[in-house]
Amino acid sequence: SQTIHQWPATLVQPVGSPLSLECTVEGTSNPNLYWYRQAAGRGLQLLFYSVGIGQISSEVPQNLSASRPQDRQFILSSKKLLLSDSGFYLCAAGVNQPQHFGDGTRLSIL
Amino acid sequence: DQQVKQNSPSLSVQEGRISILNCDYTNSMFDYFLWYKKYPAEGPTFLISISSIKDKNEDGRFTVFLNKSAKHLSLHIVPSQPGDSAVYFCAAMDNFNKFYFGSGTKLNVKP
Repeated sequence: SQTIHQWPATLVQPVGSPLSLECTVEGTSNPNLYWYRQAAGRGLQLLFYSVGIGQISSEVPQNLSASRPQDRQFILSSKKLLLSDSGFYLCAAGVNQPQHFGDGTRLSIL
Repeated sequence: DQQVKQNSPSLSVQEGRISILNCDYTNSMFDYFLWYKKYPAEGPTFLISISSIKDKNEDGRFTVFLNKSAKHLSLHIVPSQPGDSAVYFCAAMDNFNKFYFGSGTKLNVKP
């Protein structure tokens, strides 16, 4: 079965600092990979998805970016964080099955 | 524009009774629907799914109903248990394997 590893579990960053969140997947090859954000009191918002190495689709204009350097590695980045980037970030993987999620990263911007 | 909507942000049910969580969607091209359960500070976990060719799928205490003409699906939990207290998300998948999530319904099952 698939296992999604996300780290760190929590992160506190100052406004304007850079960000790098990493997600790795075990138990499958060539998965579709997704980054979601859950802001306080709101649902899951799709940020990026990838169908293969180097292939990234962005769903929402923002100051975040994503990269997929390896088949089972998905990275969410920012050069300068904004207060509005606070939230709970989830990585997910799936092929033709229900998506599996990591445990998420709680990001707080000060 | 949200394509999957859960209009009830919260639901409170007595232990042993039925919980009914509702979800509406707008895109008639969605062909696969899922329910996830999420505890605080954890990622969602898959609960149950249904293909658009069916109108009901049952797994133990959980049953999902799909009404394609109304673009509505619901999750029934019976009997409800305190451990079912969590946020429940419905999701729909399009033919590009993209998933669209509702905003979630927080279920509280009272002992």
